[in-house]
Amino acid sequence: DAGVTQSPTHLIKTRGQQVTLRCSPKSGHDTVSWYQQALGQGPQFIFQYYEEEERQRGNFPDRFSGHQFPNYSSELNVNALLLGDSALYLCASSPGWGSSEQYFGPGTRLTVT
Amino acid sequence: KNEVEQSPQNLTAQEGEFITINCSYSVGISALHWLQQHPGGGIVSLFMLSSGKKKHGRLIATINIQEKHSSLHITASHPRDSAVYICAADTGNQFYFGTGTSLTVIP
Repeated sequence: DAGVTQSPTHLIKTRGQQVTLRCSPKSGHDTVSWYQQALGQGPQFIFQYYEEEERQRGNFPDRFSGHQFPNYSSELNVNALLLGDSALYLCASSPGWGSSEQYFGPGTRLTVT
Repeated sequence: KNEVEQSPQNLTAQEGEFITINCSYSVGISALHWLQQHPGGGIVSLFMLSSGKKKHGRLIATINIQEKHSSLHITASHPRDSAVYICAADTGNQFYFGTGTSLTVIP
């Protein structure tokens, strides 16, 4: 049983560009959350998707958007990249809306130059 | 002020020592999580607790709901325990994370 998978593993982009990160949840999970973890910091909640809708959102600008597909996989899109967007982006899946269980993926390391 | 505070920020221990990492939170929670993050980023969930105490191998997690405080203990520490340990408060709507405690266990 595959756990949470994310792609790509590493990514280098230039300031002003756009990026799309992908996440496949653990089998049987239908809720996906995205987090940004800057170097030396704890993860910060970006948003959570359930039933293909954004259900909760943290304190992130509209440049951060997402999508959830019918197979529960999810994408995180970031537009107009800033140097400060360089971070590890973590995806976590849960077995149902409101569940406290979270299984984390390995993360995507984004570097903006 | 952060919703979740951890201490210490960094910890170095000799192999075999008993280790305690503390977490205080200011939000109402449905559960408190302890996570382990190894270099490279992968996060593993160690414990999810809403009351009392849980034990898994050499790891013990406790929580005091009234005091809004949780501790993670590692008995007989080993170099392979070296990692960042993160406390996360689950309010039922979202997670708030501490900044982590970086643990290094020296052989």
